[in-house]
Formats: sequence, C-alpha cells, structure tokens
Amino acid sequence: DAKTTQPTSMDCAEGRAANLPCNHSTISGNEYVYWYRQIHSQGPQYIIHGLKNNETNEMASLIITEDRKSSTLILPHATLRDTAVYYCIVRVGPAGGTSYGKLTFGQGTILTVHP
Amino acid sequence: GAVVSQHPSWVICKSGTSVKIECRSLDFQATTMFWYRQFPKQSLMLMATSNEGSKATYEQGVEKDKFLINHASLTLSTLTVTSAHPEDSSFYICSARATDPRSPLHFGNGTRLTVT
Repeated sequence: DAKTTQPTSMDCAEGRAANLPCNHSTISGNEYVYWYRQIHSQGPQYIIHGLKNNETNEMASLIITEDRKSSTLILPHATLRDTAVYYCIVRVGPAGGTSYGKLTFGQGTILTVHP
Repeated sequence: GAVVSQHPSWVICKSGTSVKIECRSLDFQATTMFWYRQFPKQSLMLMATSNEGSKATYEQGVEKDKFLINHASLTLSTLTVTSAHPEDSSFYICSARATDPRSPLHFGNGTRLTVT
C-alpha cells in the first residue's frame, strides 16, 4: 500500500471549513484514497473515499489532485464534535481481491476545533 | 446502515483468565472481519483477519494461540484473549467488510480491556 503523509495536528475555528491535507505521492493506479476519523475512545468512523474524481457526501468533500499524489479532506462547517484524529489511508479498492479492507493506519492528523 | 457492534465495550479481568470479545455486523453480512489493537497514544495495529468458515490469518508477531479468533457465521466474529496478562491491556477494535465489494470498511466502537 502507498504510504501517506499527514500533518501531525491542525486547529480550526468552529463554523469555519477544515481542510486536511494528505500526501500520497507513490499511489498506484488502482489504489483508492480513504478517510476515517477516530473520536477519543471510539472506533474509527468512515468518512469518504475516492479514486480520482472529487467526491462529496453528507459529512465531507474529498478533493484529489489531477496527478493523484495528494488529496484534501474538507469539512465545510466544522463543529466541536469534529475534534478527532483523521486518518488518510491509501488502499486497493473494492476490486482488490480478498485482502480488500485490510487498512494500515498511520498516525493521522489531530484536528482540534475550538470555539 | 452498515453498523458493527462490539461487546462488551469495556472489561476488567484478573491476570491469567480469558476474555471473549464479540463483533457483530447488524445489518449486513460480513465475509471478512478484522481485529485491531490500539495502545494509548498510538495508532491502530492490525492483529488478524477473520474469514467466515476458515482459519484466521494473523499478522506477524501476533500469537495465534493467545488471541483465538472464531468467525462462525456471516454476522459474528469473536476474539478470545487467553491467559490474559497486564500487557494485554489495550483497546481492541473490530471491523467488517460486507460481501458487496463496493462498500467501505466499518468499525465497531471498541472494547477497552484492563487486566489487573
């Protein structure tokens, strides 16, 4: 799996957009970008994933650069409850065979949303 | 949809005893489940992959005789920590993959194990 690089921590004001970057310069053509977050003492929560097109759902938007070497997770209106560790994971997608789903977690980005 | 339930959410046991943790997919069938462990201030580390009806696959360094995994049905996998010791105290998290390959991996809320 391609390695990802994320900032250790970020701050964001409540109500503002939180933009979390992720570098994955060695990503392969069949690898997807997944984002999960983990609120303290809970299991990781799936946020969004994408291959090459930008994606949006009710939680966030995912912007992937044209060369796919980096991406940005956008929380459009951050709230205090969005304070968590955010993990960017690159992994072979749904057609990746029986090992699909085996995720390798890095250290992630600690996002702190303050009033 | 796609809810994964873990039970118990926390457990305290004495050294030398065994503890069983359950992981259930509530609204989908999971052919594959994954067990992770997380120590304080660290990231999640994959312990093993559990496949329905077959033996689990363990990651390097994880003792299969100590961490027994059973995936007897498409909705239930169990992790038994045998002869627990204080160093086994950790946050254990399961995740499940639905048979639909387009669905993402979903996680349970974890089990906090404390061995005294």
